[in-house]
Amino acid sequence: DTGVSQNPRHKITKRGQNVTFRCDPISEHNRLYWYRQTLGQGPEFLTYFQNEAQLEKSRLLSDRFSAERPKGSFSTLEIQRTEQGDSAMYLCASSPRIAGRSYNEQFFGPGTRLTVL
Amino acid sequence: SQQGEEDPQALSIQEGENATMNCSYKTSINNLQWYRQNSGRGLVHLILIRSNEREKHSGRLRVTLDTSKKSSSLLITASRAADTASYFCATDINSGYALNFGKGTSLLVTP
Repeated sequence: DTGVSQNPRHKITKRGQNVTFRCDPISEHNRLYWYRQTLGQGPEFLTYFQNEAQLEKSRLLSDRFSAERPKGSFSTLEIQRTEQGDSAMYLCASSPRIAGRSYNEQFFGPGTRLTVL
Repeated sequence: SQQGEEDPQALSIQEGENATMNCSYKTSINNLQWYRQNSGRGLVHLILIRSNEREKHSGRLRVTLDTSKKSSSLLITASRAADTASYFCATDINSGYALNFGKGTSLLVTP
């Protein structure tokens, strides 16, 4: 099954440390998204790439957060100087760009669960 | 802020019964999607309905959309224990990218 994969699946870190997550989208998908989900809530949009270009960032993405997709394939999300409020599930999704259609279902990875102590 | 609000927050039914959950949203949309999330399979797309559609079916799923009331409903017929999951509506305001999810309805289907 060549779905969206995310690594690591779980990350425990101490406050103030930096963490980096990786997302490998479905190979033919040129759109990649990052979301954050806390307990009892729906996913909240963080940022979106089309190929290697980061086209949109949510206000939730503070200066401590940075995302890259250097070759338009995999993406990384880095959080610097982590805070306890960063504890959440970080979800990655991808979707294809289909000519003539402006809407697409998104395919989600299993997520990376971050716990900041 | 989250765009959609699902109702009810939690629903408990027995196998074979139908489950209906509702979603209300705040601003104009291009389309609305429903997703299911459980611990085994993560977040999975179920169905998409465009703003110019009123009803759509997929297997045991029926989705309606009322843009005048800014609301949608998801009906699952003949529910099974495997339908136990959280269900989210998501609106696509900026076509093709960011999805705004609601808080979800937690569905429990007991044998």
